[in-house]
Amino acid sequence: GAVVSQHPSRVICKSGTSVKIECRSLDFQATTMFWYRQFPKQSLMLMATSNEGSKATYEQGVEKDKFLINHASLTLSTLTVTSAHPEDSSFYICSARENNYGYTFGSGTRLTVV
Amino acid sequence: GNSVTQMEGPVTLSEEAFLTINCTYTATGYPSLFWYVQYPGEGLQLLLKATKADDKGSNKGFEATYRKETTSFHLEKGSVQVSDSAVYFCALSNAGNMLTFGGGTRLMVKP
Repeated sequence: GAVVSQHPSRVICKSGTSVKIECRSLDFQATTMFWYRQFPKQSLMLMATSNEGSKATYEQGVEKDKFLINHASLTLSTLTVTSAHPEDSSFYICSARENNYGYTFGSGTRLTVV
Repeated sequence: GNSVTQMEGPVTLSEEAFLTINCTYTATGYPSLFWYVQYPGEGLQLLLKATKADDKGSNKGFEATYRKETTSFHLEKGSVQVSDSAVYFCALSNAGNMLTFGGGTRLMVKP
């Protein structure tokens, strides 16, 4: 089946620093990947749609300068949280769509900003 | 626009009890419907799906039937196990576009 690898699984960073999260499709090419944010005990909130070779499409209310998305190849999308603050602490999940298997999700990244 | 509504949790059951988690949706056209499961600290895993009316998705003892007349996709399992404890998300996708999720339902199964 289609596999999406996301790492790191956990990261702790200091306020004001930047953190990069990687999302890789291991056995298929993904022209589109999706980045979600999940608050404790809540559903997934779509942050942006990452398109290979072009700019990401951000959902309303998501700061594109704070959450930088790069989709430089058909198998890799990255989300960089810039100048992180404690309120950015959350669980971030990526997803990719594969023609035969539909949407496949990464295992998530728990970001804690201290 | 598209929306998914599912019953709020937590749902607490004893082992071997019958499970139903309700899910209804609003969408134009003929969406595909999904149930995803999220175990603690992990991402989402596809549990089952149905792509057209009257289809029944099934996996690991879980079932859900695509009911267009009631715009529902309720999740059922005849006998739950402790290992089924997780959060379950109902979702839809319209014309291959992005997923729209329900709010999630936490299931806790006690031995």
